[in-house]
Amino acid sequence: LAKTTQPISMDSYEGQEVNITCSHNNIATNDYITWYQQFPSQGPRFIIQGYKTKVTNEVASLFIPADRKSSTLSLPRVSLSDTAVYYCLVGAHGQGGKLIFGQGTELSVKP
Amino acid sequence: DTGVSQDPRHKITKRGQNVTFRCDPISEHNRLYWYRQTLGQGPEFLTYFQNEAQLEKSRLLSDRFSAERPKGSFSTLEIQRTEQGDSAMYLCASSLRSDRETQYFGPGTRLLVL
Repeated sequence: LAKTTQPISMDSYEGQEVNITCSHNNIATNDYITWYQQFPSQGPRFIIQGYKTKVTNEVASLFIPADRKSSTLSLPRVSLSDTAVYYCLVGAHGQGGKLIFGQGTELSVKP
Repeated sequence: DTGVSQDPRHKITKRGQNVTFRCDPISEHNRLYWYRQTLGQGPEFLTYFQNEAQLEKSRLLSDRFSAERPKGSFSTLEIQRTEQGDSAMYLCASSLRSDRETQYFGPGTRLLVL
């Protein structure tokens, strides 16, 4: 499975837009890009998944350039409750489906 | 609540004791996963089941670890002769087999081995 690189931590303030970029230079043709969110003492929670271009849901947007070697998770107007660890994962699902997590990005939202 | 549930939520044990954790997946999900997470790290894959068949085991799963899913529904993870290095959060997740499956995680069982 493709290795991912993302910042260890980020700080933001309430109401700001937060963009977390993930690098995955060795992404394979059939790999999807998925982001999970994890609050302390809870299991990870699926946020968004995409293959190319842009995906948007009620929680976030995911931007993927044409070469797919990176992706950016965008959280609009963050609140204190968005303080969490965000994981970028790359892999071909349907082949066992196990998830390979990196260290993630610890996002801290301040008032 | 129709999410993934795990029991117990917390477990404190002494080194050398055996412990067993239970996971109840979302009812229609045929895949079930176990992960382990230590402080400051992302979850690490341990093993997964499709229905009652255990299809993959990580090298992290030593001989002291065993997992079962006897009827393709709930699963148990047993750790024999616990060691202090086993202290971690044990997470269970379930999913429907598909090309773009989303895994739904339970709240985890936090194990502390003294």
